[in-house]
Amino acid sequence: KQEVTQIPAALSVPEGENLVLNCSFTDSAIYNLQWFRQDPGKGLTSLLLIQSSQREQTSGRLNASLDKSSGRSTLYIAASQPGDSATYLCATDQTGANNLFFGTGTRLTVIP
Amino acid sequence: DVKVTQSSRYLVKRTGEKVFLECVQDMDHENMFWYRQDPGLGLRLIYFSYDVKMKEKGDIPEGYSVSREKKERFSLILESASTNQTSMYLCASGEGSAAGDQPQHFGDGTRLSIL
Repeated sequence: KQEVTQIPAALSVPEGENLVLNCSFTDSAIYNLQWFRQDPGKGLTSLLLIQSSQREQTSGRLNASLDKSSGRSTLYIAASQPGDSATYLCATDQTGANNLFFGTGTRLTVIP
Repeated sequence: DVKVTQSSRYLVKRTGEKVFLECVQDMDHENMFWYRQDPGLGLRLIYFSYDVKMKEKGDIPEGYSVSREKKERFSLILESASTNQTSMYLCASGEGSAAGDQPQHFGDGTRLSIL
């Protein structure tokens, strides 16, 4: 069964800093990897989806990369803002499975 | 924009009650999912459905059942609620032939407490 790990569990940075969130997964036989954002008490918002044939995806100040062979993905946030404070989750699938497997998330705090 | 609506944000029920959680999506998505989210455990899939009247068990189906009579609506049922089912429940919908083909869209969640 696919296992997804996110380290660290929490991260605090001053406003304006660039930062990287990490995600690792145990089975490289995947179709896609997704990054989500979750605000306190809310559902998940999809940020980026990287297909297994791609190396990265960009949306505004966010850039996600995927190294399928090593089982790793990173989410790069440029010029962080207090509004970026949230929990960020990564999720991937597994060939033959019909569901996503989620990490437990990294709780990001951007300090003004 | 895709809208996934869960009927209740907060719900308090008693042990042994039958509990219904409702989810409606407005984008004609084929796939719908029910997850529960617990601290330290992340999101775990309870059930999913890839078509009307079709359902598949996820990782933790015990104590739950689901119903999908119409494409836009997916219901989660706790047959006899127990305290270990106190959790945040999240519904999602999406397109594609597998769970990862397209982004999943989530509702705001239902925080369920069983007393």
